[in-house]
Amino acid sequence: GAVVSQHPSWVICKSGTSVKIECRSLDFQATTMFWYRQFPKQSLMLMATSNEGSKATYEQGVEKDKFLINHASLTLSTLTVTSAHPEDSSFYICSPQTGRDYNEQFFGPGTRLTVL
Amino acid sequence: GQNIDQPTEMTATEGAIVQINCTYQTSGFNGLFWYQQHAGEAPTFLSYNVLDGLEEKGRFSSFLSRSKGYSYLLLKELQMKDSASYLCAVSDSNYQLIWGAGTKLIIKP
Repeated sequence: GAVVSQHPSWVICKSGTSVKIECRSLDFQATTMFWYRQFPKQSLMLMATSNEGSKATYEQGVEKDKFLINHASLTLSTLTVTSAHPEDSSFYICSPQTGRDYNEQFFGPGTRLTVL
Repeated sequence: GQNIDQPTEMTATEGAIVQINCTYQTSGFNGLFWYQQHAGEAPTFLSYNVLDGLEEKGRFSSFLSRSKGYSYLLLKELQMKDSASYLCAVSDSNYQLIWGAGTKLIIKP
């Protein structure tokens, strides 16, 4: 299967600061990147979908000015949580897709964000 | 609207067999996925069904009936390490994954 990395794996920050999460597809090119978040004991919730070189499409209820997504290359996407607040504390997971072979979707290991 | 239903929690005994059901109503269908997720970790892929029938992969099998909007994941010879959440997800007409809430499986010795 594909290798996906996320950095950092966990982060603790103060309220009001910004946090950047990187997602890299190490052995394939990701034309599409999905960003999910997962609150405790809940399922994955899609935040946004981005295609390389294009602006991300955000799901309803997700603030695009707060969650900045950059998908500048086929192997790297970043999610920046700006002015983070305690309610943003969650598990953030990236999921790159090649655009082909829809029979499997790959996930990064996730980033645990805790905002104090 | 789009909806995926699966039981919240199930309990089974080590060495036994358990079946986790999933029913769905989505706009279009491009396949159904099962994922395993251990606490604090990202989901890992278990199976993919796009045609009706049973797909067997070792101790895990997955079944699909498109006409009934129904799938199940069958786990045989349960091991303690199988204690996890099992997520059912359907790929809709836009190839977007619609997720169920997950079934927490508890394995008892």
